[in-house]
Amino acid sequence: AQRVTQPEKLLSVFKGAPVELKCNYSYSGSPELFWYVQYSRQRLQLLLRHISRESIKGFTADLNKGETSFHLKKPFAQEEDSAMYYCALNSGYSTLTFGKGTMLLVSP
Amino acid sequence: KAGVTQTPRYLIKTRGQQVTLSCSPISGHRSVSWYQQTPGQGLQFLFEYFSETQRNKGNFPGRFSGRQFSNSRSEMNVSTLELGDSALYLCASARSGQRETQYFGPGTRLLVL
Repeated sequence: AQRVTQPEKLLSVFKGAPVELKCNYSYSGSPELFWYVQYSRQRLQLLLRHISRESIKGFTADLNKGETSFHLKKPFAQEEDSAMYYCALNSGYSTLTFGKGTMLLVSP
Repeated sequence: KAGVTQTPRYLIKTRGQQVTLSCSPISGHRSVSWYQQTPGQGLQFLFEYFSETQRNKGNFPGRFSGRQFSNSRSEMNVSTLELGDSALYLCASARSGQRETQYFGPGTRLLVL
């Protein structure tokens, strides 16, 4: 069965510091991975997906099939990045398996 | 383009009652998925519909059911409510659901007393 693990419940950094939110997955097929973000009082929204290889709001994520990881990175955190971040695996027809999420707090 | 909408936004029910939640997908989207979000279990997949057919189902009891109409709008129903059903229920839509980006609604917060 598929599984997504986000080992950190909370990550607290200072503004300008680098950020890495960890995500590991377990899936026997070819994975499609996403990062979703939920800002306070807003709906869950897509941040990026591995297949597009885009950089959104300065965030990037590289799929490492050998390590089964899809860590989210940003070189310089901003206060507005404070939010809940979810890593998700799409294993079929619109079936997302989510990690438990990591709360990112960026302090001034 | 209007986003995914869900109604009602808040609900309070008592144990044993049943509840129906509604979801209107983005125009042109034919796939609708439902998720339950709780502090303890996080986000869990309930089921997915495409062209009025359930294509996939998560590991939830039969009290949880859903359907999709010809205009792609979807409803989910929970019968014989239990305290543990208190959660935020999220709906998401996608064009065809073939491993595409899902767009989420604001959710319906259900409280079971």
